[in-house]
Amino acid sequence: EIVMTQSPATLSVSPGERATLSCRASQSVSSNLAWYQQKPGQAPRLLIYGASTRATGIPARFSGSGSGTEFTLTISSLQSEDFAVYYCHQYNNWWTFGQGTKVEIK
Amino acid sequence: QVQLQESGPGLVKPSQTLSLTCTVSGGSISSGLYYWNWIRQPAGKGLEWIGRIYTSGSTNYNPSLKSPVTISVDPSKNQFSLKLTSVSAADTAVYFCARGSSDFAFDYWGQGTLVTVSS
Repeated sequence: EIVMTQSPATLSVSPGERATLSCRASQSVSSNLAWYQQKPGQAPRLLIYGASTRATGIPARFSGSGSGTEFTLTISSLQSEDFAVYYCHQYNNWWTFGQGTKVEIK
Repeated sequence: QVQLQESGPGLVKPSQTLSLTCTVSGGSISSGLYYWNWIRQPAGKGLEWIGRIYTSGSTNYNPSLKSPVTISVDPSKNQFSLKLTSVSAADTAVYFCARGSSDFAFDYWGQGTLVTVSS
């Protein structure tokens, strides 16, 4: 099983600042990496697939990068609605998720 | 717009069978381009993929699950279902159904349904 490790566990950011979230795979997942946003009581929402392609309707302030084992999700200027938990997900070899990064208001 | 909706009992007794159904609307489950998934999330914890089914009936399951799992599909009703047998308290979670593809990961999700395993 491919283990996905996200860091940090919690990220405290002020509105308008940049947030950088990391995700590391225990072995290469090529570019088969997605990012999801989840708010309390809601289902996850797909933000990024293929490591760097924004899903339909996702604002341009969300960007993804990386390949192989190291990936990054960047939120260029945090809006109030962006405070949530973010999960990475590899779909290269079965399907596993990271444990999540909570982005909270500083 | 594709929509998914989970349904089923919210309370199951230990050692019994957890059964959930996902109804898909706004698109055909038989399109062949996608696979149909179950994912769960215990309270305050992360996401765990349970398994998937293609409309051909081919299935894959997470080998780390302790409770036996069966996923089936009913194209005539545009539904797919989950059965988890011999459940324990560890199976208490919010259960989501989701559409997946090799290109787009999990692009549409149901809202989730809480299932509690308790006597």
